[in-house]
Amino acid sequence: DIQMTQSPSSLSASVGDWAIFTCRASRSIAKNLNWYQHRPGKAPTLLISDTSTLQSGVPSRFSGSRSGTDFTLTISRLQREDVATYFCQQSHSAPYTFGQGSRLEIK
Amino acid sequence: QEQLQESGSGLVKPSQTLSLTCSVSGASIGNGDYYWSWIRQNPGTGLEWIGYIYHTGNTDYNPSLRSRATISVETSQNQFSLRLNSVTAADTAVYFCARGPRFYDILTGNGKGNFDLWGRGTLVAVSS
Repeated sequence: DIQMTQSPSSLSASVGDWAIFTCRASRSIAKNLNWYQHRPGKAPTLLISDTSTLQSGVPSRFSGSRSGTDFTLTISRLQREDVATYFCQQSHSAPYTFGQGSRLEIK
Repeated sequence: QEQLQESGSGLVKPSQTLSLTCSVSGASIGNGDYYWSWIRQNPGTGLEWIGYIYHTGNTDYNPSLRSRATISVETSQNQFSLRLNSVTAADTAVYFCARGPRFYDILTGNGKGNFDLWGRGTLVAVSS
């Protein structure tokens, strides 16, 4: 199975700051990486597919990028509503696998 | 509004069978656009894809659970279900149902298998 290593496990930032989360794949997954947001008590939602394709309704403050097997989710101009756990998922090779998640807190 | 809702037993005894159902509203399992998945989240092992089913009954499973998991579909009820037998404490988790991947992505093998709609999840504890 492809292992997805996500960092940091948690991050605390202020409103208006940037937050950057990274996911590293254990081997090449091309651009087949998806990001999700899981707010407390809510259903997870798909934020970004295929490394950088923003889903409909997702603010442009969210962006995704790739360098080799390293993938980055960047959230600019943080807002209180961004408090959530963010996790990545590779779809390149079965079985689908996920990162451990990164918890974002707002100071 | 498209929604998924998990239901089923919240407490299962060791060695018995876990049984969950996902009810789909605002979307149709039978239109064939998507596969429908089960995913679980355990504090120790994180998120784990269990398997998926198509409206025709075609399934695929994570090899780690293939011997114990069975996913079935009832298109007339717009529901799909998970049964996991011979459970142990390691199966204690929040179980999510989700829509995805898309049929086209599986057919073409393009690697674009994501889950674009999820339920809120249901906690299943395995304990005597």
